[in-house]
Amino acid sequence: GAVVSQHPSWVICKSGTSVKIECRSLDFQATTMFWYRQFPKQSLMLMATSNEGSKATYEQGVEKDKFLINHASLTLSTLTVTSAHPEDSSFYICSARALQGTEAFFGQGTRLTVV
Amino acid sequence: QKEVEQDPGPLSVPEGAIVSLNCTYSNSAFQYFMWYRQYSRKGPELLMYTYSSGNKEDGRFTAQVDKSSKYISLFIRDSQPSDSATYLCASKTSYDKVIFGPGTSLSVIP
Repeated sequence: GAVVSQHPSWVICKSGTSVKIECRSLDFQATTMFWYRQFPKQSLMLMATSNEGSKATYEQGVEKDKFLINHASLTLSTLTVTSAHPEDSSFYICSARALQGTEAFFGQGTRLTVV
Repeated sequence: QKEVEQDPGPLSVPEGAIVSLNCTYSNSAFQYFMWYRQYSRKGPELLMYTYSSGNKEDGRFTAQVDKSSKYISLFIRDSQPSDSATYLCASKTSYDKVIFGPGTSLSVIP
């Protein structure tokens, strides 16, 4: 399958600071990228869907101003957690797909710990 | 009621056993059904992708979908310790939004 790379794999930050997570499609052009959040022993919860060149569509209950998503190119999307707090500590995972209806591939995830 | 439900386990089986993992879903509009394997601290890996009802086999893995009962199954034959992971079932309509079950933790004991 296609490769989606997520960076960093883990990050620790201080409360109140911002953290940027990158999601790259390495061998295909991703028209759509998805950002998920996963708490321990729980399933993936979709946070937002981003299409290249457009504003992201956020799921109900996800704060747009806190979780900034940028999808400026066909191979890169970023998620910035602004003014992070300990309750934002979680596993963040992106997935990317080329065309609608095709398979989406997942990155390896980023574990964020806010102290 | 959650859209996709799954027994979280944990499920523990001896090596070589046949494993049966199951999910139920509530949304009749779901048309695509997937099984993902997720190792600890890693992103999910797609194992099986099926459309509508029926069976699909890939090596030691068989996926079954019964839309009449809204039931999804994954069978693993000749289970191996390397199969130890969390297995997530997922469904979606013709649009992109994928709904995941909570996952079943599987341990295959040598």
